[in-house]
Amino acid sequence: DSGVTQTPKHLITATGQRVTLRCSPRSGDLSVYWYQQSLDQGLQFLIQYYNGEERAKGNILERFSAQQFPDLHSELNLSSLELGDSALYFCASSVATGGSGELFFGEGSRLTVL
Amino acid sequence: GENVEQHPSTLSVQEGDSAVIKCTYSDSASNYFPWYKQELGKGPQLIIDIRSNVGEKKDQRIAVTLNKTAKHFSLHITETQPEDSAVYFCAARPVTRDMRFGAGTRLTVKP
Repeated sequence: DSGVTQTPKHLITATGQRVTLRCSPRSGDLSVYWYQQSLDQGLQFLIQYYNGEERAKGNILERFSAQQFPDLHSELNLSSLELGDSALYFCASSVATGGSGELFFGEGSRLTVL
Repeated sequence: GENVEQHPSTLSVQEGDSAVIKCTYSDSASNYFPWYKQELGKGPQLIIDIRSNVGEKKDQRIAVTLNKTAKHFSLHITETQPEDSAVYFCAARPVTRDMRFGAGTRLTVKP
């Protein structure tokens, strides 16, 4: 158990809909990262937050947005969903930002768009 | 930004043989190189990491080597066991930047 909690574990929805994925980082970790993993694909970096502020942005679509709340949990919002958005979405946390800090991953949220 | 390439994409070995996975990176500012193992249905988990001031690190049956001049690093697993079967990801991280992952290697260890 990494200490990172993601909900929901599975989500099935229709095209055009909007969903919210939630992540609770490990106790004490200030950084939260979101990654997308499509079928048989690598981990695509989406976005990072550190202590409530956006710190880095990767290949995140404009239809997607995220935020980190004062209690450090984070939410990833996916809107106007398309079939190609079906993927595993991972949240990871670390103590700090950058440097050589280990990332601890949650077990992921599997999104299926029909 | 950082670009990490990983080879091979799939690797099949006999139990007891060694397995080697290789990665290259593009950003010379990268100074942290972790390897993650992802088992089916789970999130990636760190198995070993190396920092830029070290050329080699070993932990029981796994070892990682780093060549900063050539910008490549490798994972070596010796005496492979069926439970080593998983997807392995390399990653590279510049100071104060986000971590970028390779595309992954699916390792199968045949009993």
